[in-house]
Amino acid sequence: QVQLVESGGGLVKPGGSLRLSCAASGFTFSDYYMSWIRQAPGKGLEWVSYISSSGSTIYYADSVKGRFTISRDNAKNSLYLQMNSLRAEDTAVYYCARDSTKGYFQHWGQGTLVTVSS
Amino acid sequence: EIVLTQSPGTLSLSPGERATLSCRASQSVSSSYLAWYQQKPGQAPRLLIYGASSRATGIPDRFSGSGSGTDFTLTISRLEPEDFAVYYCQQYGSSPRGTFGQGTKVEIK
Repeated sequence: QVQLVESGGGLVKPGGSLRLSCAASGFTFSDYYMSWIRQAPGKGLEWVSYISSSGSTIYYADSVKGRFTISRDNAKNSLYLQMNSLRAEDTAVYYCARDSTKGYFQHWGQGTLVTVSS
Repeated sequence: EIVLTQSPGTLSLSPGERATLSCRASQSVSSSYLAWYQQKPGQAPRLLIYGASSRATGIPDRFSGSGSGTDFTLTISRLEPEDFAVYYCQQYGSSPRGTFGQGTKVEIK
């Protein structure tokens, strides 16, 4: 069955960096678009970024553009999110999700918590 | 940006009752590109409905979606104990990945 397992979250100071990873299994990773979606504590869902199956097409939400970089390694069945210049408002649980290519999210990982605080 | 407004904010019902959740868009959602997700405390969201009315794999038929344009509805015909959760709608008709509503909590009365 489809499994997505995020890692790399933790506590970081404002202005710091963190790299999230998502290990995928149970499907042909290289066939699917992938996305990162986040949820601030007690709040709703916010799409962050997506990457096409080959990695050739990438989009970001305006709130993270220029600070976050999405990437993937199809040989390792892995998705990444490099987060730089972190702000307090980036504090959230970050989910990786298998994207449908139409734009909805078919499968989600369990999430990893990123806390930005001094 | 298309803004989605979900109502009510909280729905208090008993097991066995019917739940009707609303999602209203500030502009027409193209091609009925509207999805619904269920999220239980401490868990990731789960896809229930896509294309406004198509059930995702493994979703019980007590869940149904309807609507078009700016008004969409998620109906749970008879609430089971495991259905008490928060429900989010998402429009994905506007690039690149659309927007989510703020959520409706279905709680036990």
